[in-house]
Amino acid sequence: DTEVTQTPKHLVMGMTNKKSLKCEQHMGHRAMYWYKQKAKKPPELMFVYSYEKLSINESVPSRFSPECPNSSLLNLHLHALQPEDSALYLCASSQDAVGYEQYFGPGTRLTVT
Amino acid sequence: GEDVEQSLFLSVREGDSSVINCTYTDSSSTYLYWYKQEPGAGLQLLTYIFSNMDMKQDQRLTVLLNKKDKHLSLRIADTQTGDSAIYFCAESIGGGFKTIFGAGTRLFVKA
Repeated sequence: DTEVTQTPKHLVMGMTNKKSLKCEQHMGHRAMYWYKQKAKKPPELMFVYSYEKLSINESVPSRFSPECPNSSLLNLHLHALQPEDSALYLCASSQDAVGYEQYFGPGTRLTVT
Repeated sequence: GEDVEQSLFLSVREGDSSVINCTYTDSSSTYLYWYKQEPGAGLQLLTYIFSNMDMKQDQRLTVLLNKKDKHLSLRIADTQTGDSAIYFCAESIGGGFKTIFGAGTRLFVKA
């Protein structure tokens, strides 16, 4: 199983809503990542978890809150988002955080109205 | 700082070879990657190369690495219409914790 799954595929939310994005992998990978991708741009790293601990936070606004409940799951909690946060949110995992290739999920297309 | 540069567009005829080029800046990068992204989808890892290698071949894909010039290329032999996508070059930096992506090269394959 080399699959990273993400739910939901699409999400539309208002600026006052609270929602969560979910990511799951069953490859035994110990590093998981959240990326944000705007249209026609490369993915931008948001967070890295290594062995269920937050290793990197790329100065992401606090309205994005990551959570890693266990080694297979990664959540991204969203609250009070802005329209400019609309993007494709990609989850990825790798065997370890250091130098291993990352496997990406299909992404959640988020629209903030 | 870290930067990965790629040309933005490439157009080829079906059956021809495609060559996508990339330059990177971090000389300590140990891994360099090529990812493919189709419209509305996530990124698919195509291949990667260790920095101590010059070349890697995998079926229709050939990766060449010139470490002196910090230049990476991806050659796709016998390009098919299904190869139309955006191709991202990426390097691992900071001891491998971070992956920096280029802007992506949009490959158009004409039938």
